[in-house]
Amino acid sequence: SQQGEEDPQALSIQEGENATMNCSYKTSINNLQWYRQNSGRGLVHLILIRSNEREKHSGRLRVTLDTSKKSSSLLITASRAADTASYFCATGAANTGNQFYFGTGTSLTVIP
Amino acid sequence: KAGVTQTPRYLIKTRGQQVTLSCSPISGHRSVSWYQQTPGQGLQFLFEYFSETQRNKGNFPGRFSGRQFSNSRSEMNVSTLELGDSALYLCASSLVGTGGLGNTIYFGEGSWLTVV
Repeated sequence: SQQGEEDPQALSIQEGENATMNCSYKTSINNLQWYRQNSGRGLVHLILIRSNEREKHSGRLRVTLDTSKKSSSLLITASRAADTASYFCATGAANTGNQFYFGTGTSLTVIP
Repeated sequence: KAGVTQTPRYLIKTRGQQVTLSCSPISGHRSVSWYQQTPGQGLQFLFEYFSETQRNKGNFPGRFSGRQFSNSRSEMNVSTLELGDSALYLCASSLVGTGGLGNTIYFGEGSWLTVV
């Protein structure tokens, strides 16, 4: 299976702290995307990083990609209670249209 | 600009029945893909349509089918429902059909299906 895995499965932190979650995948990719999902809702796109990029920033988000280790990390700085959600990584390969493989997700709880 | 719209949001069906879910993509988007999300299996790719043609299909039985219309709206159908089909079904759309090259897909809020 090409499905990735997020680590940790669950993370609980205090508001203002940083949250780091990791994603590992199994096959070669062209890009990796991170999504957020609030309970029972759809997925919200956060950031996309291409295979030839090593780091990308968007507001309080920082994503790194290490293709040699087949892993990525998502850092959320200065977390807020509103960041409480599940976070998923999704990988896309060449010539697969929009077929993405999602990881198992990290459930983040930010305590006010 | 309206997002991806899915209907219905919630539905309950009986084992053996069939169900049709609808998805309206973001205006101008030609690619529509469907995913099933369950607590046990996570997010699983069902199929993708681009310009009314199914381009990719996941590892699901033939009871799961879909189609796309000329206006890019899509429907998916599940026949002979089983209890295990209870899930959140998510539709996603994108502007073009080359996700492997870094194309963002945008998700709808999903349709919650409960099979009893």
